[in-house]
This record gives sequence, C-alpha cells and structure tokens, in this order.
Amino acid sequence: EIVLTQSPATLSLSPGERATLSCRASQSVSSYLAWYQQKPGQAPRLLIYDASNRATGIPARFSGSGSGTDFTLTISSLEPEDFAVYYCQQRSNWPPGYTFGQGTKLEIK
Amino acid sequence: EVHLVESGGGLVKPGGSLRLSCAASGFTFSTFSIDWVRQAPGKGLEWVSSIDSSSTYIFYADSLKGRFTISRDNAKNSLYLQMNSLRAEDTAVYFCARESAAGMIGFDYWGQGTLVTVSS
Repeated sequence: EIVLTQSPATLSLSPGERATLSCRASQSVSSYLAWYQQKPGQAPRLLIYDASNRATGIPARFSGSGSGTDFTLTISSLEPEDFAVYYCQQRSNWPPGYTFGQGTKLEIK
Repeated sequence: EVHLVESGGGLVKPGGSLRLSCAASGFTFSTFSIDWVRQAPGKGLEWVSSIDSSSTYIFYADSLKGRFTISRDNAKNSLYLQMNSLRAEDTAVYFCARESAAGMIGFDYWGQGTLVTVSS
C-alpha cells in the first residue's frame, strides 16, 4: 500500500509570503496526485489534479509540481483566505483505491 | 450547478447498522464514478469506497473488512453506503464526492457531509 507523507505538519506564514507544501509517496504514483484545501466545517475543495493542473476556478497563485514520489504545492503569495488544511491524494492500481496524506495545516504567523 | 447532498447520518449503537444516501443533481450522474470519503473528528481524510458509473467496478478501503457496501441507482441519481457492524472508530463525517472526468485524478465536487456517531 502506498503511503503519502506530507510535510511540514504545520506551516506558519504571513499574508503575502510564499508557501511550499510537500507530499512524498512511498513508491512512484506517476502523476496520479491531487491537492485539496479544507477549511473548518467545510468539505474539501479540489485545487490541483494530475499533479500540476489547476482545477476550475482556482486562482493562479496555486501551482502544483512533481512526479513519481515527490510533489509540491506552492502558493505564490498568501491571501488571508488561504489559511487552511491542505491534503494530497493519490490513486493506486493495486490495491485499487485512493490514499490521502495526513495534511498540512497552514496557519497565520 | 452540481450538487451532492448526503443524508442518513445519526447516532447508532456499536454493532448497529446505518444506510447513508447521497442525492446528486446538476450533472449526468450515470456517467461519473462516485466515492465515499470520511473524516473522524479532528482527523484527516480517509477514502472509504468508490463505484464506477455502471456499478461494474467497486472498491473499498482494506480497513473496512467487508462491513460496508456501496451501491447506486442511476435512475434516482443516488448513491448509497450500507454500513454494518459499526464500531466507535467509524464515527466520522461521511462525504460523497464525484470523481473528475475519466483519466483525471481528483474529486471535483463534494457534498457537505453527514455525521455518523457510533456510541452506546
């Protein structure tokens, strides 16, 4: 079973700063990776699909990169509404299904 | 506009059963795979199960050990999750989520979730 490890667990930054979130897979997942944002009391929102493609309506300050085992979500200049928890997700062919990382909490410094 | 609305959550005793529903609207339900994802209080996301558009391919998280059954009724634009032999560790908000178009990795629409509490 593929394990996704996100780092750091918590990231403290100020509005306007650049955020870099990491997601590492225990074995290659090719580009089968997505990123989500979740705010308290809300459902997750898809940000990035297939490792590097922004979902519909997602601002250009969000970008994803990587392939194989190492992936990065970058927020170029933090807005107040970006402080939330971020999850990565991968799809595996065997066993068939999906796995989420444990999340990175992005908090205001 | 795409909408997914879960229902059926509530308080159930350990060993009991519950059936969750997810009502879909605003898209051609019969052409998308749909998943259940859960989130225990204060914890991260856990994928539970998926079902493809024709109910041909059905998958579950290993941790469920055969206790849950996913199904769908395309005529009613509805998804279901039958949960049996419930345990305290099944306490969570259960979300239904639509998989993106074929070949794309990501769940592009989510419901707001329904809370399942397993407690005596």
